[in-house]
Amino acid sequence: QVQLVQSGAEVKKPGASVKVSCKASGYIFTSSGLSWVRQAPGQGLQWMGWVSGYNGNTNYAQKFQGRVTMTADTSMRTAYMELRSLRSDDTALYYCARGDGNKGGFDYWGQGTLVTVSS
Amino acid sequence: QSVLTQPPSVSAAPGQKVTISCSGSSSNVGDNYVSWYQQLPGTAPKLLIYDNNKRPSGIPDRFSGSKSGTSATLGITGLQTGDEADYYCGTWDNSLSAVVFGGGTKLTVL
Repeated sequence: QVQLVQSGAEVKKPGASVKVSCKASGYIFTSSGLSWVRQAPGQGLQWMGWVSGYNGNTNYAQKFQGRVTMTADTSMRTAYMELRSLRSDDTALYYCARGDGNKGGFDYWGQGTLVTVSS
Repeated sequence: QSVLTQPPSVSAAPGQKVTISCSGSSSNVGDNYVSWYQQLPGTAPKLLIYDNNKRPSGIPDRFSGSKSGTSATLGITGLQTGDEADYYCGTWDNSLSAVVFGGGTKLTVL
């Protein structure tokens, strides 16, 4: 069965960086891309971007351009999302989800990683 | 302010039917596939409907999706207390070159 398992919770100070991982199993990693979606406390879903599991191509939401890097390691079957210059409003649950959000939707989701930004 | 507009809340009694609307524009709902997600309290979102009206394996046929023009609708029949959750619509936006979501609708089963 398809599973996406994310790394554990992080606490960071403003201005720092965080790197969250998402390890995939149960499907051919190179056949799908992975998106990152975040959810601030009590708020809705916000798409951050997508990374191809095939060739590492990326597509970032304009809001995060220049501050986010998404990568995919095919040998480890793991995708990574690094967010830099953290601010308090980056405090959120960060999810990885399989797919690019268009045809097919996001069919499998990770359990979420809580990133807390606090001085 | 979300790009897609959903009602903040809906409610209905057990066994009844409810619909949740998702309003967008020609650059998103009107030209792309719509998906619906269910988020139970404290859990990750779960895909309910994809490609406007298709259900993934394991999703009961009490859940249905439709799209007309720049609006989409999620329907849930035979409501159960276990259906109490937040529901989100999502699609691609051609102008923003990004996935956009509705603000979410909280379903209460009275």
